[in-house]
Amino acid sequence: GENVEQHPSTLSVQEGDSAVIKCTYSDSASNYFPWYKQELGKRPQLIIDIRSNVGEKKDQRIAVTLNKTAKHFSLHITETQPEDSAVYFCAASPRGGNKLTFGTGTQLKVEL
Amino acid sequence: GAVVSQHPSWVICKSGTSVKIECRSLDFQATTMFWYRQFPKQSLMLMATSNEGSKATYEQGVEKDKFLINHASLTLSTLTVTSAHPEDSSFYICSAQDRVSPLHFGNGTRLTVT
Repeated sequence: GENVEQHPSTLSVQEGDSAVIKCTYSDSASNYFPWYKQELGKRPQLIIDIRSNVGEKKDQRIAVTLNKTAKHFSLHITETQPEDSAVYFCAASPRGGNKLTFGTGTQLKVEL
Repeated sequence: GAVVSQHPSWVICKSGTSVKIECRSLDFQATTMFWYRQFPKQSLMLMATSNEGSKATYEQGVEKDKFLINHASLTLSTLTVTSAHPEDSSFYICSAQDRVSPLHFGNGTRLTVT
């Protein structure tokens, strides 16, 4: 089955700096890669996603890049703000399915 | 957008009792729903895939007789934790997808077994 690894497990940045979270996946059949933000005790919220036919996608301060050959994808948050502080999860899903395998999560802390 | 409602949001039960958690897709039909479990400070682990009108598919290591899943309609899936024990205390989250939107999660259920 799919295995998704995520790094780093914790990340502290100063407000205004950029944050980068990286994930690798094992199943070459995976073709959908969403990123979720989860605040304590709440549901994961989809913040951005990318499909395997695209190498990069951007939405305001958030961007995701995908390298299919190397089987890794990354989340980039620019101009970080305190409200960006949360746990971020990457995930991967196989072709034709929506069964997600999640990464282990990254606790992002944006300090003033 | 697609909305998934999960109930209850939290429940406390005594060891040995059973607890039912409901997951509803409010404005779309979901032939497939997924149940995840999340322990504190850990990732979401898929427990099972719930298929409308058929048996659920369980992930390796998940006891199907302990975690009963019923997907009786296109808008409702239920997870029943039978004979709950303290180690079953966790955050249970369902998810569902319509044909055009990405996966949507319910609000989750915090289960505490005393």
